[in-house]
Amino acid sequence: EVQLVQSGAEVKKPGESLKISCKASGYIFTTYWIGWVRQLPGKGLEWMGIIYPGDSDTKYSPSFQGQVTISADKSISTAYLQWSSLKAPDTAMYYCARRNYYYDSGGHKSLDIWGQGTMVTVSS
Amino acid sequence: IQLTQSPSFLSASVGDRVTITCRASQGISSYLAWYQQKPGTAPNLLIYAASTLQSGVPSRFSGSGSGTEFTLTISSLQPEDFATYYCQQLNSYPYSFGQGTKLEIK
Repeated sequence: EVQLVQSGAEVKKPGESLKISCKASGYIFTTYWIGWVRQLPGKGLEWMGIIYPGDSDTKYSPSFQGQVTISADKSISTAYLQWSSLKAPDTAMYYCARRNYYYDSGGHKSLDIWGQGTMVTVSS
Repeated sequence: IQLTQSPSFLSASVGDRVTITCRASQGISSYLAWYQQKPGTAPNLLIYAASTLQSGVPSRFSGSGSGTEFTLTISSLQPEDFATYYCQQLNSYPYSFGQGTKLEIK
């Protein structure tokens, strides 16, 4: 079964660092991009960025560039999202998702497999 | 690329036909996907390439459009369809989402 399993909920203080994970299974990890999506409490989905685990090529949304770091360890099929200094507004649910690429459909793409989400709470 | 969904809220009854529109600020060909999200759960892919139904998604869901205007139609609402729907463009980075359409029971 193809799945992404994310690390558990976190409660942190402002200024602390954090690294959350997204472990892939059931497919070849290095051949699909993995994206990260933020959802603030009661709000919509926001695209953060994406990484290709095969060569660690990474693209960030301008809104999140410099605020977070996306990485991957292909030896354990795991992608990461990390903060060096958390702020209260970082409180949100964070999802990882696999980007599928449809070679037989004109190169279309989608986020076809999603992790269950990691809730991050930042509070003093 | 900005995506604007309309309406933001929609009240409908079981059996109704509903349509949600997603407009892009610039042309994105048919690089558009639709997702359904129920409270407390991750989004679920419904449609990609603007009109291709993801495997396992009921045929009452359909998508259309190209360029800057797209629609998601549910032909006959079922109780399990009451959720929030998002469009997403995958034409160019960043892969932006629409603001969402919350579909509620009338």
